[in-house]
Amino acid sequence: DIQMTQSPSTLSASVGDRVTITCRASQSISSWLAWYQQKPGKAPKLLIYKASSLESGVPSRFSGSGSGTEFTLTISSLQPDDFATYYCQHLRTFGQGTKVEIK
Amino acid sequence: QVQLQESGPGLVKPSQTLSLTCTVSGGSISSGDYYWSWIRQPPGKGLEWIGYIYYSGSTYYNPSLKSRVTISVDTSKNQFSLKLSSVTAADTAVYYCARADSSIAGFFDPWGQGTLVTVSS
Repeated sequence: DIQMTQSPSTLSASVGDRVTITCRASQSISSWLAWYQQKPGKAPKLLIYKASSLESGVPSRFSGSGSGTEFTLTISSLQPDDFATYYCQHLRTFGQGTKVEIK
Repeated sequence: QVQLQESGPGLVKPSQTLSLTCTVSGGSISSGDYYWSWIRQPPGKGLEWIGYIYYSGSTYYNPSLKSRVTISVDTSKNQFSLKLSSVTAADTAVYYCARADSSIAGFFDPWGQGTLVTVSS
């Protein structure tokens, strides 16, 4: 199976910061990647699919890019509601998660 | 819009079988555009895909759990179910049901709220 590796595992940032999370696939997956946001005690929420398509209702400060084996999720200006854990996913495999904490 | 809701016991004894049901509302489970999935998350850990089922009954399971997992569908009730046998403490987790896009994109949306299942005597 294809392995998905996220970095960093934890990220400390302040409100207003530009934040970038990376997800690497062990082999090329074209653009078949999704990103989710999960808050404590809640189910994951789809943010991005097909690497760069923004799910309806998701704020435009979230964006995704990449293809092949390297992908990024960017939050252009971090808001208080964005402190959460983020996961990438390809088919049946999830990355290990990146926790975005308050600096 | 489509909503999913998990139900089942929150406590299961070691060696017994965990059984959960996911009820789909706001849409038909017989839509050919989706797979119906189970995903779990041990406390403080990441997400693990368990398996999914197509409305026709075709199933796909995580190889690491395949020998213990059965997923079934009841289209008349718009439900699908998970059975995990011979459970141990390592199976303690929040169990989510989710709809998976059946195209190669394969993303999960929406998700149920999740249900915590604890394996303990």
